[in-house]
Amino acid sequence: GAGVSQSPSNKVTEKGKDVELRCDPISGHTALYWYRQSLGQGLEFLIYFQGNSAPDKSGLPSDRFSAERTGGSVSTLTIQRTQQEDSAVYLCASSPPGAGGTDTQYFGPGTRLTVL
Amino acid sequence: GQNIDQPTEMTATEGAIVQINCTYQTSGFNGLFWYQQHAGEAPTFLSYNVLDGLEEKGRFSSFLSRSKGYSYLLLKELQMKDSASYLCAAYNFNKFYFGSGTKLNVKP
Repeated sequence: GAGVSQSPSNKVTEKGKDVELRCDPISGHTALYWYRQSLGQGLEFLIYFQGNSAPDKSGLPSDRFSAERTGGSVSTLTIQRTQQEDSAVYLCASSPPGAGGTDTQYFGPGTRLTVL
Repeated sequence: GQNIDQPTEMTATEGAIVQINCTYQTSGFNGLFWYQQHAGEAPTFLSYNVLDGLEEKGRFSSFLSRSKGYSYLLLKELQMKDSASYLCAAYNFNKFYFGSGTKLNVKP
């Protein structure tokens, strides 16, 4: 079956421009996560969506970052006025419904963002 | 705050056994995940421990001690394809707190 997909796979942008990153989760998965991974580092939690509940935005590093999830499926992460320190791989993951939400996450291939 | 520690890098020989440790300090805790990540690829799930003790799954085993805030991943009969980064993540109420990962180099 289809896994989590993300687009674009690579994005190069100039400092100060806005970018949108897209995530298509696995069909039927209610939970969706966004992470950021800088070179050689672990995953930094950004935001979490669960069904129709209000998202947990506690990991967003600044107000330049925002995310939406339309119809409980596709999600878009938007970074406004990009800075060089935003350069990283942005990973999306989804999880199926499960008791206590402890089901594992399935990761997409990521979007590599480079801000010049 | 949340603090997840694991060694940065380890080297082991093909066919050997290696143990990758992870210590965690979190404000809440439900369980501990281990993921494998090959260079340039997304993480893939290896194991999840909720209760204390050892969970064995083929060549990979994972151990958890909740009282000590400690986990390890044990890889047996190492193969060259096991060269990857191994990420531990503490799970607490829908949030995953990841360590920086341990890069494992398997040599012939």
